Amino acid sequence: DQQVKQNSPSLSVQEGRISILNCDYTNSMFDYFLWYKKYPAEGPTFLISISSIKDKNEDGRFTVFLNKSAKHLSLHIVPSQPGDSAVYFCAARGGGSQGNLIFGKGTKLSVKP
Amino acid sequence: GAGVSQSPSNKVTEKGKDVELRCDPISGHTALYWYRQSLGQGLEFLIYFQGNSAPDKSGLPSDRFSAERTGGSVSTLTIQRTQQEDSAVYLCASSLMGSGANVLTFGAGSRLTVL
Repeated sequence: DQQVKQNSPSLSVQEGRISILNCDYTNSMFDYFLWYKKYPAEGPTFLISISSIKDKNEDGRFTVFLNKSAKHLSLHIVPSQPGDSAVYFCAARGGGSQGNLIFGKGTKLSVKP
Repeated sequence: GAGVSQSPSNKVTEKGKDVELRCDPISGHTALYWYRQSLGQGLEFLIYFQGNSAPDKSGLPSDRFSAERTGGSVSTLTIQRTQQEDSAVYLCASSLMGSGANVLTFGAGSRLTVL
């Protein structure tokens, strides 16, 4: 049973527009949420995180929003660039001494010039 | 080293053979993780080592899978009697476990193909 769900396997966006990637979770005990980006033949690289006590975190073109009541988070990329084309994974941390992250299946973002 | 190093980068083996995958984490990182990504799937947690504590093996799919971490540094993931469904990219990550988000830094992965 998936605890972290990314329901859109792919997303296509025009360069310069906003990309919105969505993620839902089921476990209210998660204390941190992270987004990773993955290029082919490379390991995932960390992008941005948010604590469960926050509702927004911004870093340059990337903003993550957290809606705890809906158990939903989203990653906004604006403006989108062709180099942003990659697979984006949403991940959640279990909290306490549980250090491993639980990942969603990923969303493949294509940014077209 | 500067990053997480994994070897081999590619491994092709025959069904029934044993394989060993190696991970060299970032120096000083206390936590080490193994994940795998099968074709078209997300990252599946396998096992997690933190300091001298007993590892969290809850993600290992069968008793053919085992891992050890020697001296709190290098880790080896062993798959015995490999099956075709074991074909995947095996990713190792390490982190400086502490308060906060616990950002994992991943290696490039070891791609395993079982024929």
